[in-house]
Amino acid sequence: AQKVTQAQTEISVVEKEDVTLDCVYETRDTTYYLFWYKQPPSGELVFLIRRNSFDEQNEISGRYSWNFQKSTSSFNFTITASQVVDSAVYFCALRDSGGSNYKLTFGKGTLLTVNP
Amino acid sequence: DTAVSQTPKYLVTQMGNDKSIKCEQNLGHDTMYWYKQDSKKFLKIMFSYNNKELIINETVPNRFSPKSPDKAHLNLHINSLELGDSAVYFCASSHRSASTDTQYFGPGTRLTVL
Repeated sequence: AQKVTQAQTEISVVEKEDVTLDCVYETRDTTYYLFWYKQPPSGELVFLIRRNSFDEQNEISGRYSWNFQKSTSSFNFTITASQVVDSAVYFCALRDSGGSNYKLTFGKGTLLTVNP
Repeated sequence: DTAVSQTPKYLVTQMGNDKSIKCEQNLGHDTMYWYKQDSKKFLKIMFSYNNKELIINETVPNRFSPKSPDKAHLNLHINSLELGDSAVYFCASSHRSASTDTQYFGPGTRLTVL
């Protein structure tokens, strides 16, 4: 069975600080896909990134970066120079290659509060 | 140019009533999903349809019945609503291919059962 653990329930930082959100996953598959979604206070779920298990290259998109390490089954998300607009719940999710089952298994989310 | 839309956005109803939530996507995707987000923000898959065929049916009370009239629509009907059904329900869609299966979510429907 697949599982996603986001150990940090809540994080509070001051604007311009860097912050890393942790995500640890479990799966028996060798092929799987990892995702991050953002849920701002308005409630919608916004897709941020998708990573395949066979691509361990880290990715940077503006102030966002992702560190994928298969050796530790982690897919951590770093926001550099955080801003108040980054305040949201962030979800890490996993989809394995299980046949026709394309469901996402989500972690419980990390509530990030960026204070001015 | 909304990608995945849901109606209504808010739904307040009495216990025992029957209600429906509608979802439509204009992304040309062939797979649609329903997720439930509880009061603790935990997201869990309920159903998934691919080309109008049910492919995921998690352990959900049979008071919940999804219906997909075509690839672009997936509705959720709930009979005999209970207090515990209060949650935010998200519709999502994706193209069912290993390389392009990112799920895009609708804005959610907040259901409150009184």
